Amino acid sequence: GENVEQHPSTLSVQEGDSAVIKCTYSDSASNYFPWYKQELGKRPQLIIDIRSNVGEKKDQRIAVTLNKTAKHFSLHITETQPEDSAVYFCAASIVDDMRFGAGTRLTVKP
Amino acid sequence: KAGVTQTPRYLIKTRGQQVTLSCSPISGHRSVSWYQQTPGQGLQFLFEYFSETQRNKGNFPGRFSGRQFSNSRSEMNVSTLELGDSALYLCASSLFVAGGIDGYTFGSGTRLTVV
Repeated sequence: GENVEQHPSTLSVQEGDSAVIKCTYSDSASNYFPWYKQELGKRPQLIIDIRSNVGEKKDQRIAVTLNKTAKHFSLHITETQPEDSAVYFCAASIVDDMRFGAGTRLTVKP
Repeated sequence: KAGVTQTPRYLIKTRGQQVTLSCSPISGHRSVSWYQQTPGQGLQFLFEYFSETQRNKGNFPGRFSGRQFSNSRSEMNVSTLELGDSALYLCASSLFVAGGIDGYTFGSGTRLTVV
């Protein structure tokens, strides 16, 4: 199956700053790249996704970029707020085979 | 519409026993995937089912098995439980669309504790 690596494992930023989380994948056949946010004690929830035919997608304060040549994709959160504190997971799928990165614990300090 | 439903929410079992967990997908979703989540280990892929067939499998021992029924509901079974099997087990369901999947949604999970 696909191998997804995610960095950093922990990230601490000041409220209002930007946060960037990066992921790489191994199989060039991967065609769908979602990002999930998991708050403590809750299920992972989809926050944004991108397909392989698109290079960038933005939704308010969050954006995802995809570089198919380098096989990496990134999550960008601008103007961070304390409620953005959570664990974020990237994933890559080859059709219906979805594999996740190890997660990034983001802490936003007020 | 109803989300992904996992039962039971919590379970305590004794080492050596077996356990069965259930996952009912969102209506119309025919793909169901299972993950094991432990602190610091992220989401480890167990297996994925579509139309009652296992299509993909992760690197777990044979004690972990699953199945899917004709109504897309899925069960996973763990036999001969070990202390290390204590984890949150999450399932996710999705639609098949042209070239891939859509609507990948997680259930709330089953928290399994092995004592």
